[in-house]
Amino acid sequence: RKEVEQDPGPFNVPEGATVAFNCTYSNSASQSFFWYRQDCRKEPKLLMSVYSSGNEDGRFTAQLNRASQYISLLIRDSKLSDSATYLCVVGRSNTDKLIFGTGTRLQVFP
Amino acid sequence: GAVVSQHPSWVICKSGTSVKIECRSLDFQATTMFWYRQFPKQSLMLMATSNEGSKATYEQGVEKDKFLINHASLTLSTLTVTSAHPEDSSFYICSATRVGLQETQYFGPGTRLLVL
Repeated sequence: RKEVEQDPGPFNVPEGATVAFNCTYSNSASQSFFWYRQDCRKEPKLLMSVYSSGNEDGRFTAQLNRASQYISLLIRDSKLSDSATYLCVVGRSNTDKLIFGTGTRLQVFP
Repeated sequence: GAVVSQHPSWVICKSGTSVKIECRSLDFQATTMFWYRQFPKQSLMLMATSNEGSKATYEQGVEKDKFLINHASLTLSTLTVTSAHPEDSSFYICSATRVGLQETQYFGPGTRLLVL
């Protein structure tokens, strides 16, 4: 079983739609959680950190459920520019190593 | 701030050639640098972690004699793919953490390696 699992998609949604991505992780001792965005043939870029209390940044909302070892990302009012692969990333406990999921591909169409 | 560069951005080489990739933190001192590899439609896989002045720590399954890492200063780490073969063709990405801010990794733009 992979340490971080995501639905690979692709998710094809129209502009303005709300879309949600889910992710599960296997190591219950994990301490840090992130969503990264990766455009085709580019490096990943940090979208947001994820906290147990949930956090929001504009149209993006991230949630963490430690009991279920589940992380989510909600994108409201999708834009064409949101088209990318969204990577769920978990920090390995007691280290500064990051474990990446395979990513969920989002395609927003006009 | 927090810019990481990689050089070269892409390289095509013949099988058996050694290829060196540089990773630099341009405007900060990096406590630690990480090297990742990403094959098409797969996730980033951590290859090794390097700290300035000490030997790199390699992940399980990564051959340290094949992928030589040198971290000579707080702003430069190099990855050398020795005797590259077609199966080494991949997207190699480095990242760096700042002194005092270990949780955030800043990624370089990546290097595409194609071995013919």
